[in-house]
Amino acid sequence: DAGITQSPRYKITETGRQVTLMCHQTWSHSYMFWYRQDLGHGLRLIYYSAAADITDKGEVPDGYVVSRSKTENFPLTLESATRSQTSVYFCASREGWASGSADTQYFGPGTRLTVL
Amino acid sequence: KNEVEQSPQNLTAQEGEFITINCSYSVGISALHWLQQHPGGGIVSLFMLSSGKKKHGRLIATINIQEKHSSLHITASHPRDSAVYICAVSRNDMRFGAGTRLTVKP
Repeated sequence: DAGITQSPRYKITETGRQVTLMCHQTWSHSYMFWYRQDLGHGLRLIYYSAAADITDKGEVPDGYVVSRSKTENFPLTLESATRSQTSVYFCASREGWASGSADTQYFGPGTRLTVL
Repeated sequence: KNEVEQSPQNLTAQEGEFITINCSYSVGISALHWLQQHPGGGIVSLFMLSSGKKKHGRLIATINIQEKHSSLHITASHPRDSAVYICAVSRNDMRFGAGTRLTVKP
């Protein structure tokens, strides 16, 4: 399917377990992002990637790990899940980000993660 | 204080009413985005603008760079417009407002 997809859409896990959320886009966009959305905070950037093998921290990176071995995939791993990581996670992509310009950002459908 | 502030937080309107949602930001930006999040959770980009005004159907977005303010207007509102509308600004990264929950009653 064309576009940006996330899997799983829903996940329940226990404290201390490792969880990986997958994100896949078919446009070959350079930039990919992971956000979390919590009541009262809006969307917050966890990590982003400007290209394959290039990643950088966002606003709330603690407790998360990312990798980008291929342009189209950007998995997010919670190495040891905590209750505070219960949230809705959105992946997004955009074509580019040249200085002084901006491109439309496309969002995945989201993954609802519950950590018990 | 958040870098991106939206008002109101919640808005209820009757079908057909003209709606305005406001966004103020406190940082330099390369662009401002208006996003729509439906009850199912999906987020779509409505507008991206760096100056002036854009129109798409019944939706109009304006931005005043000097005043660091943007507005999203919906004309002839309809129940299907019920959603959360999110303002976001692009800099080196993207910062989001908390969203405005709009409910349009028939």
